[in-house]
Amino acid sequence: DIQMTQSPSSLSASVGDRVTITCQASQDISNYLNWYQQKPGKAPKLLIYDASNLETGVPSRFSGSGSGTEFTFTIISLQPEDIATYFCQQYDNFPRTPGYTFGQGTKVEIK
Amino acid sequence: QVQLQESGPGPVKPSQTLSLTCTVSGGSISSAAYYWSWIRQHPGKGLEWIGYIYYTGSTYSNPSLKSRVTISLDTSKNQFSLKLRSVTAADTAVYYCARVPYGDNWFDPWGQGTLVTVSS
Repeated sequence: DIQMTQSPSSLSASVGDRVTITCQASQDISNYLNWYQQKPGKAPKLLIYDASNLETGVPSRFSGSGSGTEFTFTIISLQPEDIATYFCQQYDNFPRTPGYTFGQGTKVEIK
Repeated sequence: QVQLQESGPGPVKPSQTLSLTCTVSGGSISSAAYYWSWIRQHPGKGLEWIGYIYYTGSTYSNPSLKSRVTISLDTSKNQFSLKLRSVTAADTAVYYCARVPYGDNWFDPWGQGTLVTVSS
């Protein structure tokens, strides 16, 4: 199984700050990496797909990058409505069976 | 715009079968363009993919749960369902249904989720 290591587990930042979250895969997953935002009591919402593509309607202050085993999610300028937990999610198809695993999440709070 | 909504009978006793249904509106589960998936989230914890089903009836499940999971379609009601057998307290979680585009690898959209508690 491919394991995802997401860090940090939580962070506190000020409005307007740049926030960066990383996910590391235990094996090469190409660009099969997606990012979700989950607000308390709500379902996760897709923000970034295939490592760097912004989902339609998602503000441009969110971005993603990386490939292979190292991936980064960035909020360029943190806004109060960005308070949430963020998850990465990978896809693999080895050995010929689909598998999806999520990172443990990063809780983002306002300082 | 497609929407998904989970429903189920409520608390489940240990060793029994957990049964949930996801009703899809605004789109057809008979479409070749999507897989229909179940995901769960243990209280305060991360997310775990359970499995999914394609319109043909083909299913794929997480190997850690595969022996206890059945996912099925009801095209007449535009619903798909999850059955998880022999549950324990470790199966207490919020269960979500979600859609996966065929040929892609992300979950979107998701249902609102339903908490299932396993307790005697």
